[in-house]
Amino acid sequence: AQSVTQPDIHITVSEGASLELRCNYSYGATPYLFWYVQSPGQGLQLLLKYFSGDTLVQGIKGFEAEFKRSQSSFNLRKPSVHWSDAAEYFCAVGSYGSSNTGKLIFGQGTTLQVKP
Amino acid sequence: SQTIHQWPATLVQPVGSPLSLECTVEGTSNPNLYWYRQAAGRGLQLLFYSVGIGQISSEVPQNLSASRPQDRQFILSSKKLLLSDSGFYLCAWSPDRGRWDSGKLFFGSGTQLSVL
Repeated sequence: AQSVTQPDIHITVSEGASLELRCNYSYGATPYLFWYVQSPGQGLQLLLKYFSGDTLVQGIKGFEAEFKRSQSSFNLRKPSVHWSDAAEYFCAVGSYGSSNTGKLIFGQGTTLQVKP
Repeated sequence: SQTIHQWPATLVQPVGSPLSLECTVEGTSNPNLYWYRQAAGRGLQLLFYSVGIGQISSEVPQNLSASRPQDRQFILSSKKLLLSDSGFYLCAWSPDRGRWDSGKLFFGSGTQLSVL
């Protein structure tokens, strides 16, 4: 069965520091991978996605993620964090089965706190 | 452009009372529709998804049900709420099965349900 693990429940970084949020997945075929961000009390916004091709994908707000098949990972990175990046981040894997429903399986989320 | 509306934003209900959360999508046709629940510390859990009118798939056994009476309307219901039904409920849509691999899952702004 597909699953997503985000090992870090809570991360605190200083403003201007670099960031890496970890994501590991379990999936039987080539996965569709996503990162979403959720601001307090809000819905989710797609940051970036990976389907195929270049394993380093660029997203919005200066984020990028690298797909590493050998490690079953899709870690999210940002070179310099801004205070407005404080939010909850979700990694997800797409279940693209015979019904083509496009279900997403989400990780438990990582809460990012940014220190001034 | 497409928009998704979800209401109410917050809801406080006593144990044993009924529930009805509504979600509507505008600006698209034949969307896939989803209900997710976000419980504290547990990430996002897919509850139901629908690929068409009257077609509902349940992901987890629970006290809730879903209905899709119209193409762009998705309703989450319960006859008798339990304490464990408390959480943040998110409605989402994605393009129909032929186009879902755009990777976009669009979320509503959520309903915070507190069962007391």
